Amino acid sequence: DAKTTQPNSMESNEEEPVHLPCNHSTISGTDYIHWYRQLPSQGPEYVIHGLTSNVNNRMASLAIAEDRKSSTLILHRATLRDAAVYYCILRGPYNFNKFYFGSGTKLNVKP
Amino acid sequence: DSGVTQTPKHLITATGQRVTLRCSPRSGDLSVYWYQQSLDQGLQFLIQYYNGEERAKGNILERFSAQQFPDLHSELNLSSLELGDSALYFCASSASTGPGYEQYFGPGTRLTVT
Repeated sequence: DAKTTQPNSMESNEEEPVHLPCNHSTISGTDYIHWYRQLPSQGPEYVIHGLTSNVNNRMASLAIAEDRKSSTLILHRATLRDAAVYYCILRGPYNFNKFYFGSGTKLNVKP
Repeated sequence: DSGVTQTPKHLITATGQRVTLRCSPRSGDLSVYWYQQSLDQGLQFLIQYYNGEERAKGNILERFSAQQFPDLHSELNLSSLELGDSALYFCASSASTGPGYEQYFGPGTRLTVT
């Protein structure tokens, strides 16, 4: 299975943009890139996903590199409520139903 | 609120006992997934059901079993409980099955085995 690499932790200031990187150099052409986050004492929460093109939704933007070997989750204006562990996950046609979370990036947002 | 409900929220039981965790997926979702999250293991996929049929198994112990009923709710049965089974158990649902579908997670059931 293709793996992802994320920094263990990042820090941001409130109301500033945050760019969370994810490397997935062994991604296949049919793997979707999914992002989830988990706030303390809560279940994981879907953030965004994409295949090839950049994606935007009300929560965030996903920027996918042209060679698809990396992606960046962009929170446009961080709030204290965005402090969470962010997981970057690849889902392909042969492993999509075995959803494996790695260790993720713990985002700390400073007021 | 994801629309996925799980009961009970907390469960305290003794070693050797058997418990059942319940999950109701979002309205219209056909696929249900179960996960275990413990402090030292992170979030681990256990099993997936789609429209009543088992579709995938992850790191699920033989002492654990699950099923999805005709009304699409699902139950996870844990038997011969051990101290190491203490964890958060999450259920998630998705509209269908496939790599392009996102999952919506419930609030979890915290199981404590004493």
